[in-house]
Amino acid sequence: EPEVTQTPSHQVTQMGQEVILRCVPISNHLYFYWYRQILGQKVEFLVSFYNNEISEKSEIFDDQFSVERPDGSNFTLKIRSTKLEDSAMYFCASSADRGGSPFNNEQFFGPGTRLTVL
Amino acid sequence: AQTVTQSQPEMSVQEAETVTLSCTYDTSENNYYLFWYKQPPSRQMILVIRQEAYKQQNATENRFSVNFQKAAKSFSLKISDSQLGDTAMYFCAFSNYGQNFVFGPGTRLSVLP
Repeated sequence: EPEVTQTPSHQVTQMGQEVILRCVPISNHLYFYWYRQILGQKVEFLVSFYNNEISEKSEIFDDQFSVERPDGSNFTLKIRSTKLEDSAMYFCASSADRGGSPFNNEQFFGPGTRLTVL
Repeated sequence: AQTVTQSQPEMSVQEAETVTLSCTYDTSENNYYLFWYKQPPSRQMILVIRQEAYKQQNATENRFSVNFQKAAKSFSLKISDSQLGDTAMYFCAFSNYGQNFVFGPGTRLSVLP
């Protein structure tokens, strides 16, 4: 069964450093998302991406964050200068569609990348 | 803005028993989707069940079923014949057509042997 994959599973970085989190969405999906979950808290939406551009972003997704689909398979989240409060689990998700039936709207989540900022 | 509330931070149930997790949401939309996701200790997000708001029939998926009360904006999850593997965080999520998911704060469920 196709699945969303994410690398690395755990990333440790020093405050102020740049990190790139990588995701490979399901191959025929068109919409891609990043979510964040600070330990013990709920999952929060960061950004959605379609047709090589951001379609929606939350207030969390400030100028320190950027997303890119550098090739036909990868979808990356870059944090330019990490802060302590960026420590969280980052989930990538993809969906075939965004409207219509929930069977297309369903977002498939990757296993997450645990980011620890020291 | 839509909000999702899960009023039970933690719950426990004996193996083989039935448990119900509550979820309420707030929206002015008429058409939307509702989901329950399971997050085991591995922290993977796994879809448990989903419901379209325009459908009156409650969704079921094996041991999992929902009680969807649209007027009350309530979407509870019932787990029958609970198994040890059901131990996890459970998140209720809301999605408008074509928009992103809004998650509730989660309910930590422990299934006791």
